[in-house]
Amino acid sequence: EAGVTQFPSHSVIEKGQTVTLRCDPISGHDNLYWYRRVMGKEIKFLLHFVKESKQDESGMPNNRFLAERTGGTYSTLKVQPAELEDSGVYFCASRGAGYEQYFGPGTRLTVT
Amino acid sequence: DQQVKQNSPSLSVQEGRISILNCDYTNSMFDYFLWYKKYPAEGPTFLISISSIKDKNEDGRFTVFLNKSAKHLSLHIVPSQPGDSAVYFCAAYFQGAQKLVFGQGTRLTINP
Repeated sequence: EAGVTQFPSHSVIEKGQTVTLRCDPISGHDNLYWYRRVMGKEIKFLLHFVKESKQDESGMPNNRFLAERTGGTYSTLKVQPAELEDSGVYFCASRGAGYEQYFGPGTRLTVT
Repeated sequence: DQQVKQNSPSLSVQEGRISILNCDYTNSMFDYFLWYKKYPAEGPTFLISISSIKDKNEDGRFTVFLNKSAKHLSLHIVPSQPGDSAVYFCAAYFQGAQKLVFGQGTRLTINP
């Protein structure tokens, strides 16, 4: 069974540009989460999808961040326009019926 | 407000000995706890979990202990092996919520 995949693995963009991150969850997992880790600190929740619906987006920093989940399958997280403080590692996780969330390898975003 | 705390940023243990990683939490509404292990440039990997109705859960070399009155949990690894060298994150679920709240992580180094 394939795990959670994320693309790209690394993105370097200039302040003011747009970046779109993609996550493909484990097949059959209805729950999809986005998290972010900044500067080696704790991993922080951004938002949670159940199928194609946003269940909880309380962790989204501001309206420069837009997440979508097309047809309840893969998800994208767009940052527009990017700011320096958006740099960090963005993790996607998916969950089936249990409590355990399974994480992807992350996308390292560097905004210069 | 850091609701899940791992107060030791790093821990060094000799191969074959016991590794004990600690985690404290402040919110009594947490009802399920998980430990994740993370290697560099990879996403967190689920290790072991425990429900708040239990005080111990064991899986091979890994045991998690939960002390609800002290709001403290610990992960024991016995015996420690070089491949256990990684960053370990403690994470918790709120009752009814489905997002994970993470600690800052503890870097474990197993010395030969």
